[in-house]
Amino acid sequence: KAGVTQTPRYLIKTRGQQVTLSCSPISGHRSVSWYQQTPGQGLQFLFEYFSETQRNKGNFPGRFSGRQFSNSRSEMNVSTLELGDSALYLCASSEGTGELFFGEGSRLTVL
Amino acid sequence: DQQVKQNSPSLSVQEGRISILNCDYTNSMFDYFLWYKKYPAEGPTFLISISSIKDKNEDGRFTVFLNKSAKHLSLHIVPSQPGDSAVYFCAASEEYGNKLVFGAGTILRVKS
Repeated sequence: KAGVTQTPRYLIKTRGQQVTLSCSPISGHRSVSWYQQTPGQGLQFLFEYFSETQRNKGNFPGRFSGRQFSNSRSEMNVSTLELGDSALYLCASSEGTGELFFGEGSRLTVL
Repeated sequence: DQQVKQNSPSLSVQEGRISILNCDYTNSMFDYFLWYKKYPAEGPTFLISISSIKDKNEDGRFTVFLNKSAKHLSLHIVPSQPGDSAVYFCAASEEYGNKLVFGAGTILRVKS
């Protein structure tokens, strides 16, 4: 079984731009969650989608948004980028509840 | 407001000895706890979990202990191996599911 695939792996943007990150979950998994990892902060929950519906949301501003498609693939978007948005963005999939399987992440640098 | 705290940023242990990683939490609604391991340039991988109805769970060299009254859990690795060197994250959720609250992580170095 292929693992969770995230694209792009690395990207550099400038302040004010927007970015879209993509996640393909493990085949058969209907839940996709997104986390932000910054140095010293651990992983912070952004949101979770299940069967195309946002099921949970973390405490991030409205500039962070996401969606899930009928094939369970998910995208997250960050608009009006700020320097503090520089982070590793991790996607995780699961069958619905229980163990999360993480991708390798998309490392975003905002200049 | 850190609901899950890993107070030791790093831990160094000799190969073959026991590694003990600690985690404290403040939210009494948490009822499911997990440990994840992360190598550089890789995503976190699930290690072991424990439900709040238990106080211990073992899987090979890894054992997680939960003390609900103290709101404390720990991960024991016996014996420690150099390949265990990684960042270990403690995580918790209010349901058996997907909104996990993570600690900041502990870097474990196992010296040979």
